[in-house]
Amino acid sequence: AQTVTQSQPEMSVQEAETVTLSCTYDTSESDYYLFWYKQPPSRQMILVIRQEAYKQQNATENRFSVNFQKAAKSFSLKISDSQLGDAAMYFCAYWEGGADGLTFGKGTHLIIQP
Amino acid sequence: DTGVSQNPRHKITKRGQNVTFRCDPISEHNRLYWYRQTLGQGPEFLTYFQNEAQLEKSRLLSDRFSAERPKGSFSTLEIQRTEQGDSAMYLCASSSFTHSTYEQYFGPGTRLTVT
Repeated sequence: AQTVTQSQPEMSVQEAETVTLSCTYDTSESDYYLFWYKQPPSRQMILVIRQEAYKQQNATENRFSVNFQKAAKSFSLKISDSQLGDAAMYFCAYWEGGADGLTFGKGTHLIIQP
Repeated sequence: DTGVSQNPRHKITKRGQNVTFRCDPISEHNRLYWYRQTLGQGPEFLTYFQNEAQLEKSRLLSDRFSAERPKGSFSTLEIQRTEQGDSAMYLCASSSFTHSTYEQYFGPGTRLTVT
């Protein structure tokens, strides 16, 4: 079974600074998809960024970018110019497609210090 | 497009009672997923529908859990004979599937408390 590991239960960053959240996963598949989702307190899960494993180029969405290292099975999220609204739980997720659902890590609680 | 909606948002029930939750996906999405999220954990996949067909249900937690999507639109998740361990947030997500759009969009969840 696939597993997703987020080794940082909590991270803190000063507003306007850059922070990197770590994620590793375990799979024997070569084709899959990776995601970062954001879950603000008492609010619903929002997709931040996605990456297809067959693409070598790292995905970027405005201030959010990933460092995808397929051989190392690593998928970190970099948030640049951190804003107060970025404060949330961040979940890394893995998906093989087909009839399976997403496999999530335990999450990283991101705190933004003003 | 009003997003994925779930009802009720909160449910308090006594142990042993049956509960049913509803999920209305984004209208053009044919794929629908249910997850359970307990405190301090990431969501855990329960079941998957493609249109009205339930293509994956082996991950439902026990035979007390069942789900339907009768006309390929909204879905219901039922828990029979609830137990205190069933207390959690139940999330629904929907997606379409094309080469470029496959991500799952989540609803706000139904928080279940079993007393």
